[in-house]
Amino acid sequence: AQTVTQSQPEMSVQEAETVTLSCTYDTSESDYYLFWYKQPPSRQMILVIRQEAYKQQNATENRFSVNFQKAAKSFSLKISDSQLGDAAMYFCAYRNVYSGGGADGLTFGKGTHLIIQP
Amino acid sequence: DTEVTQTPKHLVMGMTNKKSLKCEQHMGHRAMYWYKQKAKKPPELMFVYSYEKLSINESVPSRFSPECPNSSLLNLHLHALQPEDSALYLCASSQDDSGSSYNEQFFGPGTRLTVL
Repeated sequence: AQTVTQSQPEMSVQEAETVTLSCTYDTSESDYYLFWYKQPPSRQMILVIRQEAYKQQNATENRFSVNFQKAAKSFSLKISDSQLGDAAMYFCAYRNVYSGGGADGLTFGKGTHLIIQP
Repeated sequence: DTEVTQTPKHLVMGMTNKKSLKCEQHMGHRAMYWYKQKAKKPPELMFVYSYEKLSINESVPSRFSPECPNSSLLNLHLHALQPEDSALYLCASSQDDSGSSYNEQFFGPGTRLTVL
């Protein structure tokens, strides 16, 4: 079974600064997907960024980027120019590649609560 | 339409009641999911439907009964729940067919369930 570990229960950053959220995972698979989801207090879970293990290039979405280290099984999220609207719970998640045998659920880490200081 | 909708937003029920949660998507996704999320915890997978067939049941008690009437609709029937079942119930969907990649899951806003 896969596991996902987020070792930072809470992080705080000044507005406009950069913050990095950590995530490590464990799997015996060689190809899989990794995601970062954001859940604001309004509770809607929103996809922030995604990465396929097969692709070595780190994913980037505007101010959000990842540092994917496959050998180390590490998948950290960097948020640049932090904004007040970035305040939320951030979950790192893993899922297996679709194999044709049926969809697979997400395995989530425990989450990191990100606070943005104005 | 890139939205997953869930009704109701809030639900309060007694332990002897029968109620249902509803989830709908019109993105043509072939997989739909139910997750349970307790306060300050990550979502936990309950059920997965692939092509309208139940493919994963994570040992969920029988007082939770999922149903997928068609490819756009997913229900969760509730009966004889316990107070510890109070939680946020999230529905999600994903493409998950042979031609798709990433297969990220799109989540609905959730139903906040309180069992008295």
